[in-house]
Amino acid sequence: GQNIDQPTEMTATEGAIVQINCTYQTSGFNGLFWYQQHAGEAPTFLSYNVLDGLEEKGRFSSFLSRSKGYSYLLLKELQMKDSASYLCAVSNSGYALNFGKGTSLLVTP
Amino acid sequence: EAGVAQSPRYKIIEKRQSVAFWCNPISGHATLYWYQQILGQGPKLLIQFQNNGVVDDSQLPKDRFSAERLKGVDSTLKIQPAKLEDSAVYLCASSSGEKLFFGSGTQLSVL
Repeated sequence: GQNIDQPTEMTATEGAIVQINCTYQTSGFNGLFWYQQHAGEAPTFLSYNVLDGLEEKGRFSSFLSRSKGYSYLLLKELQMKDSASYLCAVSNSGYALNFGKGTSLLVTP
Repeated sequence: EAGVAQSPRYKIIEKRQSVAFWCNPISGHATLYWYQQILGQGPKLLIQFQNNGVVDDSQLPKDRFSAERLKGVDSTLKIQPAKLEDSAVYLCASSSGEKLFFGSGTQLSVL
């Protein structure tokens, strides 16, 4: 089975940097994903890590340590539109994603 | 490129009634998934298809839920009979590799 943990809620200020952590335990691993989900909308892809290290994509970066079962999503220069739920998901050998419960991020002025 | 299409967008039914959801994946995507997302939680995999074959349905409550993908393209998910705890958003996703693309979902309310 799989166990994926991430904080339930976080609050940050517009223009700041926020780091959302995710820890996981899995019997099979094909990669770790981060998805963004605005209220009432479908999840949209943010990042994919399969090797250890940092992947940077604009204001968003994602880090993976497979030996520690740990990932984080780093959001820089926060904007109000970044208020959303951020879902950490692990892909097993069949490519299906197993999601954590999500972290609800609130960006305040 | 067209995304994953789902219908209906919203559905309200009474408990013990039946309901069906439809999904049309991105053209050429062999793998199709149905997820259930209860309010405040992450999506939970119900079933995964590879073309028209089932890859994983270990979390599908088979006494009331069924799904099919007869021609390896469109898929339907059915609940019969519905229970109050089935109130959720049902998300369909498709992929041709590692990345999943999600539809907008069907929001089901069971009264």
